[in-house]
Amino acid sequence: EIVLTQSPATLSVSPGERATLSCRASQSVSNNLAWYHQKPGQAPRLLIYAASTRAAGVPARFSGSGSGTEFTLTISSLQSEDSAVYYCQQYNNWPPYNFGQGTKLEIK
Amino acid sequence: QVQLVQSGAEVKMPGASVKVSCKASAYSYTVYHVHWMRQAPGQGLEWVGRINPRTGGGSPAQKFQGRVTMTSDTSINTVYLELTGLRSDDTAVYYCAISVEAPATPNFDFWGQGTLVTVSS
Repeated sequence: EIVLTQSPATLSVSPGERATLSCRASQSVSNNLAWYHQKPGQAPRLLIYAASTRAAGVPARFSGSGSGTEFTLTISSLQSEDSAVYYCQQYNNWPPYNFGQGTKLEIK
Repeated sequence: QVQLVQSGAEVKMPGASVKVSCKASAYSYTVYHVHWMRQAPGQGLEWVGRINPRTGGGSPAQKFQGRVTMTSDTSINTVYLELTGLRSDDTAVYYCAISVEAPATPNFDFWGQGTLVTVSS
């Protein structure tokens, strides 16, 4: 079973700055990786799939990169509404479709 | 507008069973596999399993095999997740979700609102 490790656990960034979140897979998942964010009391929202494809309606300030075992979600020019927990998810080796443990992004 | 509407919160005793529903609307119900995830309080997301609504064939995660049953009622566009032998660590919000934008891959762009299942004596 593939394990996804996200870092850092918590990230605090000022509005307008850039945030970089990492997701490392215990073995290659090719580009079969997605990113979500989740706000309190809400279901997760898909941001990125296939490692770098933005989902419909997702602002251009969200971008994904990487392949194999190392992936990055970059949020340029942070806005207050970006405060959330961010999860990566692999769908290369299944079942199960594992998620990472999450990175909590706080806006200063 | 694609919608997944789940049943309401449940409180169950240890050892009991729970059945959560997920009703689909505004799309062709049998086209997309429905996946179930859960999230324990303050924890991350865990994939529980998936079902093909057209055939009713389900694939639970290995840790849930023998305790999870997923079914489909095509007459009312609703899938069900039943979990038996409930334990306190089954306390979680259970979500159904589908992948519409990229249906060949499980990227979940539409989610139900979640159903809180509490297991407590």
